[in-house]
Amino acid sequence: DGGITQSPKYLFRKEGQNVTLSCEQNLNHDAMYWYRQDPGQGLRLIYYSQIVNDFQKGDIAEGYSVSREKKESFPLTVTSAQKNPTAFYLCASSMGPPGGGLTEAFFGQGTRLTVV
Amino acid sequence: GEDVEQSLFLSVREGDSSVINCTYTDSSSTYLYWYKQEPGAGLQLLTYIFSNMDMKQDQRLTVLLNKKDKHLSLRIADTQTGDSAIYFCAESDYKLSFGAGTTVTVRA
Repeated sequence: DGGITQSPKYLFRKEGQNVTLSCEQNLNHDAMYWYRQDPGQGLRLIYYSQIVNDFQKGDIAEGYSVSREKKESFPLTVTSAQKNPTAFYLCASSMGPPGGGLTEAFFGQGTRLTVV
Repeated sequence: GEDVEQSLFLSVREGDSSVINCTYTDSSSTYLYWYKQEPGAGLQLLTYIFSNMDMKQDQRLTVLLNKKDKHLSLRIADTQTGDSAIYFCAESDYKLSFGAGTTVTVRA
């Protein structure tokens, strides 16, 4: 079955530690995205990648880093520089970049990160 | 996000119609979307409308688009308990921009 998988579902981190969230898709999609969801604030774009080995900052990239070495994978690292990392993180992918044509985004089930 | 605005909550009685409203800013968006999020899960595309259309109907769902006012709405007819979820409208230019989401609660 094709889909997009995030792991782990729940993650706890001590303050000051970096942590990496996994996102893998087998949909052969070129574009991948990371969003952060906080209550009442909707989805805010952290980073997006339209093609392998290329990625761009979204609206709230500070304190986060990504890599896109393989088409299938787009891991997100939450660094100690992120001041308020506790949130629900969603990864998504789409066949092509948004804009112009119909772009259906497929989402993973999310990772809930809690800083303790 | 700032580009897309929605009201945060809607409570509706089972069997009634739900109307969720959204305003957006980017007039160049070719498509506008409605996504649904079940508790603790990711989003799923519910429906979409091409920017040249005024209305699209898909079973119990009706999407209305007022391009002049940049206003989008989603009407769910005969609302059921399974429709309880968060609904996001979204527009796309070089990225997908989502609203804050409207939490719909269906009461018996």
